[in-house]
Amino acid sequence: DAKTTQPPSMDCAEGRAANLPCNHSTISGNEYVYWYRQIHSQGPQYIIHGLKNNETNEMASLIITEDRKSSTLILPHATLRDTAVYYCIVRITDSWGKFQFGAGTQVVVTP
Amino acid sequence: NAGVTQTPKFRVLKTGQSMTLLCAQDMNHEYMYWYRQDPGMGLRLIHYSVGEGTTAKGEVPDGYNVSRLKKQNFLLGLESAAPSQTSVYFCASSSQGAGSETQYFGPGTRLLVL
Repeated sequence: DAKTTQPPSMDCAEGRAANLPCNHSTISGNEYVYWYRQIHSQGPQYIIHGLKNNETNEMASLIITEDRKSSTLILPHATLRDTAVYYCIVRITDSWGKFQFGAGTQVVVTP
Repeated sequence: NAGVTQTPKFRVLKTGQSMTLLCAQDMNHEYMYWYRQDPGMGLRLIHYSVGEGTTAKGEVPDGYNVSRLKKQNFLLGLESAAPSQTSVYFCASSSQGAGSETQYFGPGTRLLVL
């Protein structure tokens, strides 16, 4: 199973871009990279996912390296409401439905 | 469209008591999941279901039972609660299990076992 490594915490100034790194060096060719976030006391919220190509939606951008061993989630203009724990997850293809959540990165956006 | 809802939101139990947590989704999703989250930790999968009438064990199934009698509902049961089951429980659902799919989570149920 591909595992992910994320920094435990990071700070970001309001209005600036937040770049959240994730290492997944053992990822298989058909495994997706997902990002979720969890705002305090709430259920996790889907942000974005991708396989090989970079992806963008209204919330964020996902940059995946060519070798797929790492990725970066970009929040283009962080707001105070983006303060949350961000989880990088590699989808386990042999056990459908199962997402393995690690400890994530605690992001604190400051004024 | 309420998405995924969970009842109750909060519950206090004494050791040995039983209870059932209810998860409901109105998105016609086939797949449903129960996770638990302990303080400072990520989510761990307890049980999941790939369709009405089916259930399967996740990472931490001991002490829990589940049932999926209706497609829209997924019940998590604690037959004899223990303090180690104090946690926040999240339910999730998704439209498909394999490949590219998104899980939608409920707001959580906070359980305290004394």
